[in-house]
Amino acid sequence: AQSVSQHNHHVILSEAASLELGCNYSYGGTVNLFWYVQYPGQHLQLLLKYFSGDPLVKGIKGFEAEFIKSKFSFNLRKPSVQWSDTAEYFCAVATQWSWGNTGKLIFGQGTTLQVKP
Amino acid sequence: EAGVTQSPTHLIKTRGQQVTLRCSPISGHTSVYWYQQALGLGLQFLLWYDEGEERNRGNFPPRFSGRQFPNYSSELNVNALELEDSALYLCASSFVFEQFFGPGTRLTVL
Repeated sequence: AQSVSQHNHHVILSEAASLELGCNYSYGGTVNLFWYVQYPGQHLQLLLKYFSGDPLVKGIKGFEAEFIKSKFSFNLRKPSVQWSDTAEYFCAVATQWSWGNTGKLIFGQGTTLQVKP
Repeated sequence: EAGVTQSPTHLIKTRGQQVTLRCSPISGHTSVYWYQQALGLGLQFLLWYDEGEERNRGNFPPRFSGRQFPNYSSELNVNALELEDSALYLCASSFVFEQFFGPGTRLTVL
């Protein structure tokens, strides 16, 4: 079955620490990959995306992610977190039919990041 | 630019009733998606509408249905509500692949 697994459910870091959130997906076909963020009291926002090309993608607010096809992974990284990065982070995979996009995003369970000032 | 809007914000219904949720996409977006975020189950894909037609649906019973109007807005209808339908229902819209989400409608079924 198609699935997305986020390794960490709750991460606590101090400001300036480095962040890496793991994401693995189970799907053999063509995928488009996303990281979404939900700040407290706000709705889901797109952080970054991978469709093709350079497997290292950069998003907003200094975040980046690396697509490793052989490992079915799309890990999110940030060299130095800030208190304002406190939020819930979701990895998602968009699956494809042979003729195009299915429209379906498969989400991981989410990782809550708490950054201590 | 206005984002995806949803109404109502909150809704309380009793088991067996019917409910309609509404979504207005970002201007220029032709696709609308519905997701359910139930406690402990994460975000689950419900439906995809594009150009007025249902293009794909998730693993939900037929009492979950919807439609998309000529102005690309959409409704999600849930009939014969069950307790486990209590969830946050999210709508998203897109022009191509990237889905932009609204704030959601919180449905409580008593």
